Amino acid sequence: GQNIDQPTEMTATEGAIVQINCTYQTSGFNGLFWYQQHAGEAPTFLSYNVLDGLEEKGRFSSFLSRSKGYSYLLLKELQMKDSASYLCAVSDYGQNFVFGPGTRLSVLP
Amino acid sequence: KAGVTQTPRYLIKTRGQQVTLSCSPISGHRSVSWYQQTPGQGLQFLFEYFSETQRNKGNFPGRFSGRQFSNSRSEMNVSTLELGDSALYLCASATAGGVDTQYFGPGTRLTVL
Repeated sequence: GQNIDQPTEMTATEGAIVQINCTYQTSGFNGLFWYQQHAGEAPTFLSYNVLDGLEEKGRFSSFLSRSKGYSYLLLKELQMKDSASYLCAVSDYGQNFVFGPGTRLSVLP
Repeated sequence: KAGVTQTPRYLIKTRGQQVTLSCSPISGHRSVSWYQQTPGQGLQFLFEYFSETQRNKGNFPGRFSGRQFSNSRSEMNVSTLELGDSALYLCASATAGGVDTQYFGPGTRLTVL
């Protein structure tokens, strides 16, 4: 079956670093995506990993280990505007997007 | 380039009615996917259309249907509405689907009374 797990909620302080983990078990793997969703808004694309390793994009980095079915999103120099839900999604062999439940991140001053 | 647009943004219906939601993808995108988002279930895949053909389908009852037109615009229909259909319905477009990045519209908030 399809299963993606993420922590439900996380809290961090402005200026800190936070790591949001995602583990997955899907019928095939064509890539892993991270999306950010602010309350009441649509998800917006953050990153895409298809090979093992770290992809860095400004303050955001995403890591993938296909053998472990594991990814994380690393957010550095946290800002208040980073308070949002972060969704992990896997594209499986059927080319469907399977989304995780999302991690609600609260950044405190 | 204009983003994905969805209409209407908000909708209130009563049980038993039917509803049609519309999605216009980013110009040049041929893949349109539909998702249902609820607080309890998260984002769940409904179906994907590519070149007017349903290419993938999620695990939803037959009351949920869709179609895509030659200009890539897509509609989603829900018949015999139930209270549990209250949700945010999101449409996402991609160049060709598959592993292409999906870009989401603002969603249609459907409330069933």
